Amino acid sequence: EVQLVESGGGLVQPGGSLRLSCAASGFTLSDHYMDWVRQAPGKGLEWVGRSRNNAQSYTTEYAASVKGRFTISRDDSQNSLYLQMNSLKTEDTAVYYCAVVGARSYMDVWGKGTTVTVSS
Amino acid sequence: DIQLTQSPSFLSASVGDRVTITCRASQGISSYLAWFQQKPGKAPKLLIYAASTLQSGVPSRFSGSGSGTEFTLTVSSLQPEDFATYYCQQINSYPLTFGGGTKVETK
Repeated sequence: EVQLVESGGGLVQPGGSLRLSCAASGFTLSDHYMDWVRQAPGKGLEWVGRSRNNAQSYTTEYAASVKGRFTISRDDSQNSLYLQMNSLKTEDTAVYYCAVVGARSYMDVWGKGTTVTVSS
Repeated sequence: DIQLTQSPSFLSASVGDRVTITCRASQGISSYLAWFQQKPGKAPKLLIYAASTLQSGVPSRFSGSGSGTEFTLTVSSLQPEDFATYYCQQINSYPLTFGGGTKVETK
């Protein structure tokens, strides 16, 4: 069974950093594109970024709102995906989800999410 | 960036009702559109991809249609477990974008 478990969320001050993890099981991470999506409290879904698979050299794409501050990486030996978040702003407060991009190019399995709160 | 506009934002309905939600794209996206269902405190769930293909395990009362700039999600007979928020999403081009959501509430 494909499963994703996010961790690493918490309370951080504005300007601080945080690293989120997404532990994958039931499939080979290196074969798949992976996405991060976030949801601010009471708001809709916002795509954060994408890591392509091994065949696409793990290249990345980012939303303009996080580009230059957030970095997506992987450790295939750990079957894990990461989101390094620097220079955090209060508007980055959200639940962060990781998702697998399936064979049809859509996010077909999601983790339960981890909560990030940026506040002084 | 491609903007997705969903309507309505809120919808009051009863069990058994036929419900239709519309998603309009600011430019043509062919059929590169998905629909997700989200319940409070839960992760989104993929219902439909490629505008009209039902994801495995999703009940057949859900259907999607459209291409280009206008898309619809229809629930043929609303069930108690269908009260939720629905989002459309385009994968035609980066940045990937979501619609603002449609909350389906009990009338």
